[in-house]
Amino acid sequence: EIVLTQSPATLSLSPGERATLSCRASPSVSSYLAWYQQKPGQAPRLLIYDASNRATGIPARFSGSGSGTDFTLTISSLEPEDFAVYYCQQRTHWPLTFGPGTKVDIK
Amino acid sequence: EVQLVESGGGLVQPGGSLRLSCAVSGFTFSDYAITWVRQAPGKGLEWVSTISGSGGTTYFADSVKGRFTISRDNSKNTVYLQTNILRAEDTAIYYCAKGTSYANYMDVWGKGTTVTVSS
Repeated sequence: EIVLTQSPATLSLSPGERATLSCRASPSVSSYLAWYQQKPGQAPRLLIYDASNRATGIPARFSGSGSGTDFTLTISSLEPEDFAVYYCQQRTHWPLTFGPGTKVDIK
Repeated sequence: EVQLVESGGGLVQPGGSLRLSCAVSGFTFSDYAITWVRQAPGKGLEWVSTISGSGGTTYFADSVKGRFTISRDNSKNTVYLQTNILRAEDTAIYYCAKGTSYANYMDVWGKGTTVTVSS
């Protein structure tokens, strides 16, 4: 099973600041990694797929990078609606696995 | 508009069963895999099961293998997750989600149905 580790567990930032979230895979997942956003009481939303491709309708302030074992989700300038939990997910091998999540909260 | 609507959750005793349904609309149902993901209270996301568009291929997490089955009725645009021998640790919100056309990611999600296993 591929294990995904996310850091930090919590990121406290102010609106307008840049957020950098990390996801580490063991073993490698090539570029087959996605990022999801989940707000309280809502279902997750796909943000990024295959490490760096924005899903339909996702604002340009969200970007993804990385390959192999180290991946980053960057939110260039936090909007109030971006405060949420973010999960990474790999699709390289079954079982599909998610990381434990990073909560981005308001400082 | 693409929509997925889950139903069938509820309170069940340990060892009991529930059949969850995922009714979909707004896309060619048989072209896409459907995945179930669950979330225990206050916890993260856990992949449960995926069924291919044709229904011919299924996958299960080890935690539910042998207890859960997945099926789809392409004439009713519905996917079913039969959950048996339920345990307290199966308590969660169960989401169904549409697979992307290119890979096993999930691009549209339902709102979820809650399963509570308790005596």
